[in-house]
Amino acid sequence: GAVVSQHPSWVICKSGTSVKIECRSLDFQATTMFWYRQFPKQSLMLMATSNEGSKATYEQGVEKDKFLINHASLTLSTLTVTSAHPEDSSFYICSGGSGDTQYFGPGTRLTVL
Amino acid sequence: KQEVTQIPAALSVPEGENLVLNCSFTDSAIYNLQWFRQDPGKGLTSLLLIQSSQREQTSGRLNASLDKSSGRSTLYIAASQPGDSATYLCAVQRNAGNMLTFGGGTRLMVKP
Repeated sequence: GAVVSQHPSWVICKSGTSVKIECRSLDFQATTMFWYRQFPKQSLMLMATSNEGSKATYEQGVEKDKFLINHASLTLSTLTVTSAHPEDSSFYICSGGSGDTQYFGPGTRLTVL
Repeated sequence: KQEVTQIPAALSVPEGENLVLNCSFTDSAIYNLQWFRQDPGKGLTSLLLIQSSQREQTSGRLNASLDKSSGRSTLYIAASQPGDSATYLCAVQRNAGNMLTFGGGTRLMVKP
């Protein structure tokens, strides 16, 4: 199957700093990628839809100015958590589609101190 | 809005038992349904994908069924092993290329 990578796999940062997470489709092109968030012992919830060459679409309750998404190429989408706070600590997972199937990245664990 | 529910939320069984995990969804207009496995602190591993026109899929000791009209899917695990311990998630996709809507998961513990 197709491969999606994420970098970094984990990150610890101080409150108030910004963190960028990369999501790459390694062997396919994705005009659309999805960003999910998973809090401990909870399921994945869609945060936003990343569209290549245009603005991202955010789910209700997700602050677009806090979670900046850039999808500058068909193989790369980035999520920047700006001015991170402890409540942003979570597991962030991206996915990209090839054909009928969505392929998920391995996730990025963010811990904000 | 699609809602996906998984029952039970947690399950603990002795090794060797056959078990069934349940998933229900409110909107039957789905494109496909997928079962995933997630180990603690890890990403998702796709187990089985059932297209809306299909009734079931099998892979090794795993069998997933889909009753689209009633909004239900089951994941059957035969002869469970301690290595099967993980969280199992089901997710539905409305259209090809769309986002997935996930259930809350079933945390499975298989005791030796």
